[in-house]
Amino acid sequence: AQKVTQAQTEISVVEKEDVTLDCVYETRDTTYYLFWYKQPPSGELVFLIRRNSFDEQNEISGRYSWNFQKSTSSFNFTITASQVVDSAVYFCALRHLYYGGSQGNLIFGKGTKLSVKP
Amino acid sequence: DGGITQSPKYLFRKEGQNVTLSCEQNLNHDAMYWYRQDPGQGLRLIYYSQIVNDFQKGDIAEGYSVSREKKESFPLTVTSAQKNPTAFYLCASSIGLGDRAYNEQFFGPGTRLTVL
Repeated sequence: AQKVTQAQTEISVVEKEDVTLDCVYETRDTTYYLFWYKQPPSGELVFLIRRNSFDEQNEISGRYSWNFQKSTSSFNFTITASQVVDSAVYFCALRHLYYGGSQGNLIFGKGTKLSVKP
Repeated sequence: DGGITQSPKYLFRKEGQNVTLSCEQNLNHDAMYWYRQDPGQGLRLIYYSQIVNDFQKGDIAEGYSVSREKKESFPLTVTSAQKNPTAFYLCASSIGLGDRAYNEQFFGPGTRLTVL
């Protein structure tokens, strides 16, 4: 079965702390893609990153970094020196090329609500 | 500016009424999607369309209907058959499928539907 688990329902940190959001996925496919999206209070999902299953290199973008480990089926997201504007719900998602006709559809985790307090 | 627009932002409906949510994109994307989000839940796929005049059911299509007469537009109708329609509805689009299936989906601002 294809599934994405974000075990942390809510996290609260103080500004400037580092925080890691966990994402564990299940899939029987060898080719797949992983995504992270941010949903601020306004509601619109904002794309953060895409990673394919053949690329396990970690990625850093400013204060954001992602750690992809196929051995543990995890795709964790770290925010360094968190800021109040980082407060949002963060979703991890999995996407397949071919799966029962639902070509390319995203499977979302339930999200982690991050609150950064000043 | 290129993007996805959804209207209205807030919608109230009486039980037994059908209501249509609008989704328009000017990104020239082939694929469009409708998701439903409930509090504390991830997004669940209602319908998706890969090309004009074609669409497929997602995981929770019962009580919903869609049309795709134009590439830019993918309206969602919430019918009276939908037992629990109060939710946040998000529309998304992506460049396409097939070889480009890995491309990310872009989302609209959402419509919050409340049934009174």
